[in-house]
Amino acid sequence: AQSVTQLGSHVSVSEGALVLLRCNYSSSVPPYLFWYVQYPNQGLQLLLKYTSAATLVKGINGFEAEFKKSETSFHLTKPSAHMSDAAEYFCAVSRLTNTGNQFYFGTGTSLTVIP
Amino acid sequence: DSGVTQTPKHLITATGQRVTLRCSPRSGDLSVYWYQQSLDQGLQFLIQYYNGEERAKGNILERFSAQQFPDLHSELNLSSLELGDSALYFCASSVDSFSGNTIYFGEGSWLTVV
Repeated sequence: AQSVTQLGSHVSVSEGALVLLRCNYSSSVPPYLFWYVQYPNQGLQLLLKYTSAATLVKGINGFEAEFKKSETSFHLTKPSAHMSDAAEYFCAVSRLTNTGNQFYFGTGTSLTVIP
Repeated sequence: DSGVTQTPKHLITATGQRVTLRCSPRSGDLSVYWYQQSLDQGLQFLIQYYNGEERAKGNILERFSAQQFPDLHSELNLSSLELGDSALYFCASSVDSFSGNTIYFGEGSWLTVV
């Protein structure tokens, strides 16, 4: 089965500190992986996407994620947290099935940034 | 702005009633997805359409139904509403149904059942 697991439903960091949000996937074939962000009262917005072109993927707002096949991980990082980064973050995996493009989302990680 | 438009943004209705949520995908996108987001169940995939045809079903209740019209807009019909149906309903679209395509989300429709 195709799925993603996000470790830590809540993460708190100080402003200026490193942000690390964890995501592990289960897949028998190289997957397509995504990170989405949801700000309060808004829809999900694509942060970045891995499609096997490069293992280090840079996204918007200074975020990046590294695909590590040996660890089946796709953790999201940002060197220095900003107050505006406070949001819900979702990891997702996409795989083509006989019924179409299936997206599987993790349970989300709520990021709090402490001033 | 993702280009996916959902209406209405907010809806309050009584138990037992029926509502219709509407979604216009991004220009050129053929595939539409519906998701339900609630505090206790997170983001749940409901159903997917591609070019007018149902492609995949997720955790969609029998009281719920959807369709995609020839102009590619989609509607999600929720009937015999219960308090537990109160949630944020998202529509998303992608250019086709191939793996790896990004899906773009609308702002969602807040449904409150009282």
